Amino acid sequence: DTEVIQTPKHLVMGMTNKKSLKCEQHMGHRAMYWYKQKAKKPPELMFVYSYEKLSINESVPSRFSPECPNSSLLNLHLHALQPEDSALYLCASSQDVGTGDYQPQHFGDGTRLSIL
Amino acid sequence: RKEVEQDPGPFNVPEGATVAFNCTYSNSASQSFFWYRQDCRKEPKLLMSVYSSGNEDGRFTAQLNRASQYISLLIRDSKLSDSATYLCVVKWNGDNFNKFYFGSGTKLNVKP
Repeated sequence: DTEVIQTPKHLVMGMTNKKSLKCEQHMGHRAMYWYKQKAKKPPELMFVYSYEKLSINESVPSRFSPECPNSSLLNLHLHALQPEDSALYLCASSQDVGTGDYQPQHFGDGTRLSIL
Repeated sequence: RKEVEQDPGPFNVPEGATVAFNCTYSNSASQSFFWYRQDCRKEPKLLMSVYSSGNEDGRFTAQLNRASQYISLLIRDSKLSDSATYLCVVKWNGDNFNKFYFGSGTKLNVKP
């Protein structure tokens, strides 16, 4: 099982709504990531969780709130988003933390988010 | 200066052509290297890891030059299905985290 599963695939929400994006992996990976990707740009790192603890926050606005309930799950809670937050949100995982050369990231197929 | 730099292209090549992409990275402590492929409106997918001695997977050959801090990808006998954006990714291992740095991607269009 080499899958990272993201739900929902598409999400449309108003600026006052609260919603959550979900990500799940059962590969035993200890690092999980959230990325934001705009059209024709590379993925932009938002958060890194290592062993279920937040290890990197790339100065993401507080309207994005990550949560890692256990080693297999990663959530991204959304509240009061802006139209410019419309993007593809990608979850990824990798096997090791701090070691393990040549261990790549595996990506989910993303949630396409539109803010009205 | 960006951590990872790539020529954005596009590279427009006929079927059957050989095409090469290069990528440079700024952090000499970077420890592992990858090429990903991303199709329009899809997620990045791992194409291949890049090993110090160079490695090949079918029509794809990856090379690493640590002294000059660049990575290359060679595609032989291009197929229409190779049309995609190719992302160079450099991994840095911290004490308790990993961080992956992405190049801006190189777009490849393979024409009939």
